[in-house]
Amino acid sequence: KQEVTQIPAALSVPEGENLVLNCSFTDSAIYNLQWFRQDPGKGLTSLLLIQSSQREQTSGRLNASLDKSSGRSTLYIAASQPGDSATYLCAVRPNDYKLSFGAGTTVTVRA
Amino acid sequence: GAGVSQTPSNKVTEKGKYVELRCDPISGHTALYWYRQSLGQGPEFLIYFQGTGAADDSGLPNDRFFAVRPEGSVSTLKIQRTERGDSAVYLCASSLTGTDTQYFGPGTRLTVL
Repeated sequence: KQEVTQIPAALSVPEGENLVLNCSFTDSAIYNLQWFRQDPGKGLTSLLLIQSSQREQTSGRLNASLDKSSGRSTLYIAASQPGDSATYLCAVRPNDYKLSFGAGTTVTVRA
Repeated sequence: GAGVSQTPSNKVTEKGKYVELRCDPISGHTALYWYRQSLGQGPEFLIYFQGTGAADDSGLPNDRFFAVRPEGSVSTLKIQRTERGDSAVYLCASSLTGTDTQYFGPGTRLTVL
């Protein structure tokens, strides 16, 4: 069974600092990996999706890397802003349709 | 176009009652998924529909949980004899096919007193 772990569970940084969020997974046979953002009381918003053949994806201030062989992905958020405060979830997808999620990292960016 | 919608947004019920949670997927999406998210945890897979049929219901915790999608669009998750442990956010997602990106709805927060 795929296990997904996210460290740290919570993170508080001053505005402007870069954020580094980690995700590890136990089974490297994945189809893709996706990073989501979840605001309190809201659903999930997809941020980045990395196919298993890719090493990284970028969107604006966000960059996600994938090292499938070591079972790791990292989400970088540059020049953090208070509006980046949310919970960030990592999800891996094996060769079927089910997503396996980590428990998330709750980020607080202090103004 | 419109995203995935779920109703109600909040549901409070008493232990032992029956509840129905509704999901309206993105128009044209053939695949629909239900996940459950307990406090402080990531979502966990419950069931996957391809069209009208449940292709995989292996995540349903027990036979009190049942889901339908009779016309291949709207889906209803049904929970009988609710228990306090059923309290969670129930998320619905849809995708164009079973291998495409899943788009999530805002969820239904179920509280069983």
